[in-house]
Amino acid sequence: AQSVTQPDARVTVSEGASLQLRCKYSYSATPYLFWYVQYPRQGLQLLLKYYSGDPVVQGVNSFEAEFSKSNSSFHLQKASVHWSDSAVYFCALSQAYQGGRALIFGTGTTVSVSP
Amino acid sequence: NSKVIQTPRYLVKGQGQKAKMRCIPEKGHPVVFWYQQNKNNEFKFLINFQNQEVLQQIDMTEKRFSAECPSNSPCSLEIQSSEAGDSALYLCASSLPGSYEQYFGPGTRLTVL
Repeated sequence: AQSVTQPDARVTVSEGASLQLRCKYSYSATPYLFWYVQYPRQGLQLLLKYYSGDPVVQGVNSFEAEFSKSNSSFHLQKASVHWSDSAVYFCALSQAYQGGRALIFGTGTTVSVSP
Repeated sequence: NSKVIQTPRYLVKGQGQKAKMRCIPEKGHPVVFWYQQNKNNEFKFLINFQNQEVLQQIDMTEKRFSAECPSNSPCSLEIQSSEAGDSALYLCASSLPGSYEQYFGPGTRLTVL
């Protein structure tokens, strides 16, 4: 069965430090992978996506992610975080239904950026 | 930023009461999804539509949940008889046909007392 695992429930980093959020997936075919961010009292915003090609993908707000088929991973990174990056980050995988494509989400990583 | 509109933002119901929430997808997006996000950040896909037609629905076997996307009206998700376990954030997302990207609204937070 398809699944997404985010092993770190919470991460605390200092402003200006680098950030890496881990995501592991289980899927028998080629996955379509996404990172979303959820700010308090808001919906999910798409940060970046991977369909194929270059395993390093760039997203909004200087986030990037690296896909690894051998490790079944899609880790999110940012070189220097800002206090406004405090949020919950979700990794998601797309699977195919009969013309609809429901997303399978991990349980998120809460990021707290300290001054 | 997503332009999916969800109303109301907050909904408080007693057990056994009906709960209804609405979603207006992004303009030009005929595919609509409903998800339930619980307090542990576990997501459950509920149903999706393309235009007015149901594409897939999962785990609505209790039949307390119903959804529709009528032409020229907001999509809606209704819980006929709310239970405490239904307390969650209900997220609506929309997409273009054939696209894997989904754009989410802010959600309706349902609290069942």
